[in-house]
Amino acid sequence: GAGVSQSPSNKVTEKGKDVELRCDPISGHTALYWYRQSLGQGLEFLIYFQGNSAPDKSGLPSDRFSAERTGGSVSTLTIQRTQQEDSAVYLCASSHPSAEQFFGPGTRLTVL
Amino acid sequence: KNQVEQSPQSLIILEGKNCTLQCNYTVSPFSNLRWYKQDTGRGPVSLTIMTFSENTKSNGRYTATLDADTKQSSLHITASQLSDSASYICVVSASWQNFVFGPGTRLSVLP
Repeated sequence: GAGVSQSPSNKVTEKGKDVELRCDPISGHTALYWYRQSLGQGLEFLIYFQGNSAPDKSGLPSDRFSAERTGGSVSTLTIQRTQQEDSAVYLCASSHPSAEQFFGPGTRLTVL
Repeated sequence: KNQVEQSPQSLIILEGKNCTLQCNYTVSPFSNLRWYKQDTGRGPVSLTIMTFSENTKSNGRYTATLDADTKQSSLHITASQLSDSASYICVVSASWQNFVFGPGTRLSVLP
């Protein structure tokens, strides 16, 4: 079956622009996670969605970052007024509750 | 502070050799520990998962060990192959929504 997909695979933007990153989780997975991986660094938790519960936004680094999950499926991570330090690979993962996470291929964001 | 440390940072071995990667953690409470393999440009893929009561878990040529008392885990790779070249990430879960990722070990297997 299809795994987690993310789009775009690469995104180059200018400083100050807004970007939207999309994640399509595995069908039936109620949990969805967003992570950020900077070059040579470990994964950094950003936000977690579980079913219809309020999302855990504790990892979002600033109010320029936000995420939505529509209909309990597709999720969009939005970064407003991008900065150069936002350059990283943004990974999405989905799972059944308390089960193994399956990761997407990531979106490589470059802010010039 | 919940932390996961991994060593070495990078490792180069010849094809066919064995190697062991280390993971030390200070995450509390402890729920489970996972090892992931991340190929360049790809998302991480789970290799093993161990709970508090498990000391060892194998997945083909990969064997993970866990010592919950000393808060240490290792990942042993037997008879390495070129395709084992990747980053190996140790992830410790304090709860089912709280994951702490290690920085990873970059393994290069040379012919």
